[in-house]
Amino acid sequence: DIQLTQSPSTLPASLGERVTISCRASQSISNSLNWYQQKPDGTVKRLIYSTSTLESGVPSRFSGSGSGTDYSLSISSLESEDFAMYYCLQYATYPFTFGSGTKLEIK
Amino acid sequence: EVQLVESGGGLVQPGASLKLSCVASGFTFSDYWMSWVRQTPGKTMEWIGDIKYDGSYTNYAPSLKNRFTISRDNAKSTLYLQMSNVRSEDTATYYCTRSGWAWGQGASVTVSS
Repeated sequence: DIQLTQSPSTLPASLGERVTISCRASQSISNSLNWYQQKPDGTVKRLIYSTSTLESGVPSRFSGSGSGTDYSLSISSLESEDFAMYYCLQYATYPFTFGSGTKLEIK
Repeated sequence: EVQLVESGGGLVQPGASLKLSCVASGFTFSDYWMSWVRQTPGKTMEWIGDIKYDGSYTNYAPSLKNRFTISRDNAKSTLYLQMSNVRSEDTATYYCTRSGWAWGQGASVTVSS
């Protein structure tokens, strides 16, 4: 199975700050990576697919990048609704696997 | 509007079986691969498996393959997850997803005696 190492596990940040979450795969996943946001009520939303393609309706302050084994999600200027859990998912190879999650919290 | 509504969760004893359902609406169910994902109380997300749009092919997480079965009824726009011989570590919220894009609200399963 492909392991995804997601970091940091917790990210304290302030409104307006730029943050980056990392996801490192145990082998190349050829840009087959999605990013998800989970709100405290459990609602899950896909933000980005195929490494860098923003889902319709997702604010442009979110962006994704990477290649090979290293990927990242950035939020350019944090807004209050961005404080949530974030997960990466690789779908290059079965079984699909998730990162361990990052809790983005208010500093 | 795409909607996925899971049901069938609850408290179940170790060793028992449980079948979750996910009713889909707002799209042509038979056109899409569907999948199940679970989240443990510790917030770990685990991909369980998926099923081809016509039900002819399934993939599973190796650790769950022998106990979990995914199926679908396209006439009812419903996805199923049959869980057998459940264990305490199966305690989680179970989500159905449409190809990883849309997610349901989740069904809570607690395995305890």
